[in-house]
Amino acid sequence: DAGVIQSPRHEVTEMGQEVTLRCKPISGHNSLFWYRQTMMRGLELLIYFNNNVPIDDSGMPEDRFSAKMPNASFSTLKIQPSEPRDSAVYFCASSLGGLITEAFFGQGTRLTVV
Amino acid sequence: SQQGEEDPQALSIQEGENATMNCSYKTSINNLQWYRQNSGRGLVHLILIRSNEREKHSGRLRVTLDTSKKSSSLLITASRAADTASYFCATDATSGTYKYIFGTGTRLKVLA
Repeated sequence: DAGVIQSPRHEVTEMGQEVTLRCKPISGHNSLFWYRQTMMRGLELLIYFNNNVPIDDSGMPEDRFSAKMPNASFSTLKIQPSEPRDSAVYFCASSLGGLITEAFFGQGTRLTVV
Repeated sequence: SQQGEEDPQALSIQEGENATMNCSYKTSINNLQWYRQNSGRGLVHLILIRSNEREKHSGRLRVTLDTSKKSSSLLITASRAADTASYFCATDATSGTYKYIFGTGTRLKVLA
């Protein structure tokens, strides 16, 4: 398996534009996580899905952020409209689910909002 | 808020020395995991320790867990320059939700 695949790897956009980040989890994994990493706040869990269903979105910073998982092999994180403070590295991770499994991370998307 | 807090925030050692990093957390857990992150890359899982375990080994890594103190430590023995990275602990809360909350990380630099 190629691991968790995220696209794009880098995104530069202007303030106010819509940004869509994409993630393909490892086949067979039923839990998917979106994290955001910044120097100031570290790694923040934004949302996690189990069996394609959002279980906890309490980490989503505001209504400008939304995430979907239409099927077991694809998820998106959308920011609309984007703001400079959204600049960060966004990671997607997947796991087999349950209490004793490790998470596998993608390489991340570095987002810069100017 | 962060569930886990690692200390020290940064650590610089010579190659061959041992490196010890600590993690403290706030709520009861089912398991605790340690991850490594090389600069500009995603996180890589190192080791998982369950709440009923006290110590675990994997190669040059040794992890301890003290649930009474809500703390864990990661020891890297005979460090190498390639161990230079940031190290994070991650915990899951016993809330029935299977999400991992990461600490603030320790930046380790191993000097050749």
